[in-house]
Amino acid sequence: SQELEQSPQSLIVQEGKNLTINCTSSKTLYGLYWYKQKYGEGLIFLMMLQKGGEEKSHEKITAKLDEKKQQSSLHITASQPSHAGIYLCGADNTDKLIFGTGTRLQVFP
Amino acid sequence: SQTIHQWPATLVQPVGSPLSLECTVEGTSNPNLYWYRQAAGRGLQLLFYSVGIGQISSEVPQNLSASRPQDRQFILSSKKLLLSDSGFYLCAWRIRVNSSPLHFGNGTRLTVT
Repeated sequence: SQELEQSPQSLIVQEGKNLTINCTSSKTLYGLYWYKQKYGEGLIFLMMLQKGGEEKSHEKITAKLDEKKQQSSLHITASQPSHAGIYLCGADNTDKLIFGTGTRLQVFP
Repeated sequence: SQTIHQWPATLVQPVGSPLSLECTVEGTSNPNLYWYRQAAGRGLQLLFYSVGIGQISSEVPQNLSASRPQDRQFILSSKKLLLSDSGFYLCAWRIRVNSSPLHFGNGTRLTVT
C-alpha cells in the first residue's frame, strides 16, 4: 500500500523567514494535494499537482512535484503568523485519498 | 456553490453508548463521500468511503460502521462506543472524476468517557 512521509514533523520559525515542507511517497504520485488545517477545524485545500515538474503558487505558498513524481515540496516565503497550522499532503489512490502524517508549523513574531 | 455540513461539532459520550454522526452535502450530485478520523492532531486515517447510495467501502476493521441512505448523506455509527473511538472525525466529498480535491467539513470532536 502507498505511504506518504512528511518532514519535518514540526517546524518553529520566526516571522519573515522562509521554510520548506517535504512529502515523499512510496509509490508514483498521480495526484498530489496540499492541505492546511488549523487546530480543531477541517482541512482547507491549497493546491493540487499532477504532472512531473509541475509548480503552482498561491499568494506566498509554492508547491512543486518532482520529475519522478515521488516527492513534493511546499515552500512558504516570508512566513506570517497566519501561516501557522498543520500542513498535510495527500495522494490519490484509486477512489481514495491517503494522507501524510502532517507538519505542524508555528510562526512567532 | 457546494457546501458540506457535519454535526455535531463536539460530543461527549460514555463507553458503551451508541453513536451517530451525520454529514450532508449541498449543491452537487453523485459525490464520492468519505469519513476520516484524526488522532493526536496529525495524520488522517480513512475509515469509510462511498461512491454511491448503499455502496460502502471499509478501510479499517473496527467498532464503527457507515451508511449512505441518500445521495448526499453519509452517516457514521457505532452500537457501543469504546474509549479508543475518541478522536476528531472528518467528513469529506469530491466529484467523481480522477484527481479532484476533497472538500472537508468542520469535523466532530468525539470524547468517549
